[in-house]
Amino acid sequence: DVKVTQSSRYLVKRTGEKVFLECVQDMDHENMFWYRQDPGLGLRLIYFSYDVKMKEKGDIPEGYSVSREKKERFSLILESASTNQTSMYLCASSFEGRDYTFGSGTRLTVV
Amino acid sequence: AQSVSQHNHHVILSEAASLELGCNYSYGGTVNLFWYVQYPGQHLQLLLKYFSGDPLVKGIKGFEAEFIKSKFSFNLRKPSVQWSDTAEYFCAVKGNQAGTALIFGKGTTLSVSS
Repeated sequence: DVKVTQSSRYLVKRTGEKVFLECVQDMDHENMFWYRQDPGLGLRLIYFSYDVKMKEKGDIPEGYSVSREKKERFSLILESASTNQTSMYLCASSFEGRDYTFGSGTRLTVV
Repeated sequence: AQSVSQHNHHVILSEAASLELGCNYSYGGTVNLFWYVQYPGQHLQLLLKYFSGDPLVKGIKGFEAEFIKSKFSFNLRKPSVQWSDTAEYFCAVKGNQAGTALIFGKGTTLSVSS
């Protein structure tokens, strides 16, 4: 089975800190995605990447950036964390858009 | 832009009742459609998906969904729910071209009482 691993299950960061959320997949998938999940809002797409060094903005990219230097790793960066970025962050990967595998999520709290 | 609308925010049913969760999408081309479930404290799990062919799709745990192209709908159904179906359900849509991403609805919370 494809495995998508998010490096941290829980994170607590201070306002203004630069935050890195890491995601690694082990099945050579071209496509990787970052979502945030908030109650009543579902999953909202932040950024995605369909190849190394390629990135596309999703619906809510403001305040975030991403990095994909290697195929298996897709990092989400909060340049200056703010309290409204407190959320559950989900990483996913897919092969040709047919099957998606999600990580178990990182619950980020910004204080 | 693509969007997904799930009509019911919270559905409350008794065990053995039938379930139908509505999902409508907005997209100007050929779509792929998905239903995911998230049980309390767990991560997303695929229930079923539609890419082409028979518009009635059967998934895991007795769920099914019907794609009605003329109505831009992909409603999820189960004839008889169980207490263990208590969860949040998400409908998602994706264009079938390369380089597109899965877009989710806001979710429907299902509570089943025994």
